[in-house]
Amino acid sequence: DARVTQTPRHKVTEMGQEVTMRCQPILGHNTVFWYRQTMMQGLELLAYFRNRAPLDDSGMPKDRFSAEMPDATLATLKIQPSEPRDSAVYFCAIPTGESYGYTFGSGTRLTVV
Amino acid sequence: RKEVEQDPGPFNVPEGATVAFNCTYSNSASQSFFWYRQDCRKEPKLLMSVYSSGNEDGRFTAQLNRASQYISLLIRDSKLSDSATYLCVVEGYGGATNKLIFGTGTLLAVQP
Repeated sequence: DARVTQTPRHKVTEMGQEVTMRCQPILGHNTVFWYRQTMMQGLELLAYFRNRAPLDDSGMPKDRFSAEMPDATLATLKIQPSEPRDSAVYFCAIPTGESYGYTFGSGTRLTVV
Repeated sequence: RKEVEQDPGPFNVPEGATVAFNCTYSNSASQSFFWYRQDCRKEPKLLMSVYSSGNEDGRFTAQLNRASQYISLLIRDSKLSDSATYLCVVEGYGGATNKLIFGTGTLLAVQP
């Protein structure tokens, strides 16, 4: 069961273009995490929201990345302008309950050329 | 030093073998621990939580040693379908925040 939907699944874009990634918890959720995964760094936490407010975005390059959560059914991660080094898989995740870890979306595979 | 460290592998083992993965974490205040499994080009999925008393789920056994800040995962009678990357995960705390911190993963390839 897909508790978290991420779109798009794949995105190829040219350097300098804006990229917007969406995360939609199926049942709505006030806590959402954004992770980035690369071969070199593994899974890195970019930002997370609790009660739809940003609690920690220290892992996110502030000059080009922004994250918002306008309501409990939608979180967005935007990169403007995109750079080739942003190429990665971006996952969002929601808590599944106390001590039960998180459920991840299927990710957005971003390639910036 | 990374907060969560794992041997990246790969571990190449024959079917039926027993294989063990180890992981160390740096923050002694960490409270929750997990093993996640990630298949190629898929999202990470929770395999099991890790408790101080150790816990077992079928062929999988997880152990936690708080004194040594060490977590392990044992897979017995490995199957071809166990081939994946296994991620050691620690829940970090900082003020009002708690967040999962992932190791870079250990790649397991089970050979026929």
